[in-house]
Amino acid sequence: GENVEQHPSTLSVQEGDSAVIKCTYSDSASNYFPWYKQELGKRPQLIIDIRSNVGEKKDQRIAVTLNKTAKHFSLHITETQPEDSAVYFCAASTLNRDDKIIFGKGTRLHILP
Amino acid sequence: DAGVIQSPRHEVTEMGQEVTLRCKPISGHNSLFWYRQTMMRGLELLIYFNNNVPIDDSGMPEDRFSAKMPNASFSTLKIQPSEPRDSAVYFCASTRGPNTGELFFGEGSRLTVL
Repeated sequence: GENVEQHPSTLSVQEGDSAVIKCTYSDSASNYFPWYKQELGKRPQLIIDIRSNVGEKKDQRIAVTLNKTAKHFSLHITETQPEDSAVYFCAASTLNRDDKIIFGKGTRLHILP
Repeated sequence: DAGVIQSPRHEVTEMGQEVTLRCKPISGHNSLFWYRQTMMRGLELLIYFNNNVPIDDSGMPEDRFSAKMPNASFSTLKIQPSEPRDSAVYFCASTRGPNTGELFFGEGSRLTVL
């Protein structure tokens, strides 16, 4: 089955700097890659997703890139702000085959003042 | 819509007791998922349903765990007997259906087994 690896497990960046979180997946059939943000004590919520027919997607300060050949994808947050502090999860799924959404173990992002 | 509704929000029980967690998906959503979250293992998929039918329960840890979805608006996750290592936050999530992607999570049920 699908296996998603996520790095780093913890990341501290100065406010205003960029943060990058990387994930790899094992199933070459995976075609949908969402990212979820979970604030302390809250539920995970989708922040951005990408499908395998595109290589990059941006939404304001957040961008995701996908390299299908290497089977890895990354989340980029620019101009980080205190409210970006949270745990971020990447995930992979194979839409049109099944709906299993398998998550990485998460990255705890700290934005330092 | 009120979103995915889970109950109870918190449960503290003693080892050996039966635990039942409940979930009401968003109306019109046809797929429902149960995840377990711990610090060590992250978000683990336990089981998911499409149109009330269990599709994949390979993530269910052992026979002590069972899940049902008797109708489109209700699902339960039962642990019997419970053990301290079952302590975790259990999330229910739903999607509109196959191929739609985005998971909508409930607020979770925090289970502590003493």
